[in-house]
Amino acid sequence: ETGVTQSPTHLIKTRGQQVTLRCSSQSGHNTVSWYQQALGQGPQFIFQYYREEENGRGNFPPRFSGLQFPNYSSELNVNALELDDSALYLCASSLARTPETQYFGPGTRLLVL
Amino acid sequence: KQEVTQIPAALSVPEGENLVLNCSFTDSAIYNLQWFRQDPGKGLTSLLLIQSSQREQTSGRLNASLDKSSGRSTLYIAASQPGDSATYLCAAPSQAGTALIFGKGTTLSVSS
Repeated sequence: ETGVTQSPTHLIKTRGQQVTLRCSSQSGHNTVSWYQQALGQGPQFIFQYYREEENGRGNFPPRFSGLQFPNYSSELNVNALELDDSALYLCASSLARTPETQYFGPGTRLLVL
Repeated sequence: KQEVTQIPAALSVPEGENLVLNCSFTDSAIYNLQWFRQDPGKGLTSLLLIQSSQREQTSGRLNASLDKSSGRSTLYIAASQPGDSATYLCAAPSQAGTALIFGKGTTLSVSS
């Protein structure tokens, strides 16, 4: 157990809809990162938040957005869902911005029909 | 831009075999490399973290090596067991230092 939780565990949406995924970090962890893992692929970095500010972003369009809250929870929002957004979404929390200290949650499986 | 490649993509072995998983990376200026385990549909469990100053790191039956000059890392699993069946991912820090860059993983199946 890493102490990082995500909700929901599974989600089905239709193309064009919006979705919000949630993550609860380990207490005291001021950094959260989100990754997208398509089937058969390695996780791909979406973005990182440090002390409620975006601290880095991967090659994802602006319809992927995030929020981090003072209570160590965070959200990933995806607008105008596309079929290719179907994936496992992982959040990872850490005490510092260095990625090797990240603890991963169990993920949310999103299916877009 | 860091790129990470893993071979083979899949591996099937009988119980008890020793095996090696390979990982290569393009940017040798990394300061560490990490190996993860992922069970089907689950999150990532960190297995070993090797710092650039180390050449090897061991945990139980697992041994990971890092050769920055050749851009390679290997994960050695001794005396494999059916419970080792999972996908193994290696990851290196991005050049910006904020993200992990993952390979596609090696899916291991150990039969009893």
